[in-house]
Amino acid sequence: EDKVVQSPLSLVVHEGDTVTLNCSYEVTNFRSLLWYKQEKKAPTFLFMLTSSGIEKKSGRLSSILDKKELFSILNITATQTGDSAVYLCARQGAGNQFYFGTGTSLTVIP
Amino acid sequence: DVKVTQSSRYLVKRTGEKVFLECVQDMDHENMFWYRQDPGLGLRLIYFSYDVKMKEKGDIPEGYSVSREKKERFSLILESASTNQTSMYLCASSFPGTVTRTDTQYFGPGTRLTVL
Repeated sequence: EDKVVQSPLSLVVHEGDTVTLNCSYEVTNFRSLLWYKQEKKAPTFLFMLTSSGIEKKSGRLSSILDKKELFSILNITATQTGDSAVYLCARQGAGNQFYFGTGTSLTVIP
Repeated sequence: DVKVTQSSRYLVKRTGEKVFLECVQDMDHENMFWYRQDPGLGLRLIYFSYDVKMKEKGDIPEGYSVSREKKERFSLILESASTNQTSMYLCASSFPGTVTRTDTQYFGPGTRLTVL
């Protein structure tokens, strides 16, 4: 089964906290692992990961992939209220299909 | 910038009506996708198309059909809308990717469909 599991399902933190979001997948075929941020509109792309152990960074967000253990994490440091969103993880298979997790809902309280 | 547009942001239809959701992309992408998103279920793939007139069923194709007559346009059709098709519908597009390159999907703004 092409399952992508995200945890936690939801998270409430205070501004300034650091959060770690988890994504695990079952491999049948693997091309890339993607992270998206979704506010009250369509998802926007954050990161695409294809190689193990190489951290991708964008401002306060960073992500890393472990292809041996079949998981990825998304870190957000010094969280702000604007980080409140649903974060989606997706695995891209060889056939150009994308398998999404259910998302982690993050709420950042001032 | 890649632009993916969808014909309506909000749509209200009655049970049994035929519904057309249109998606247009302006980046000459070969691949186009239709998803629905429901609370707790994440994004689920309905259909995708990898070329004009080519289509593949996704995870939940029942009750839906699609049309890809032109490369830039991918239509989702609900032949006879039902209340359980009330959902957010998202269209996406991407390049097919090659052996040495993978690509991301670009999403449209979504259409929130309510079937009464």
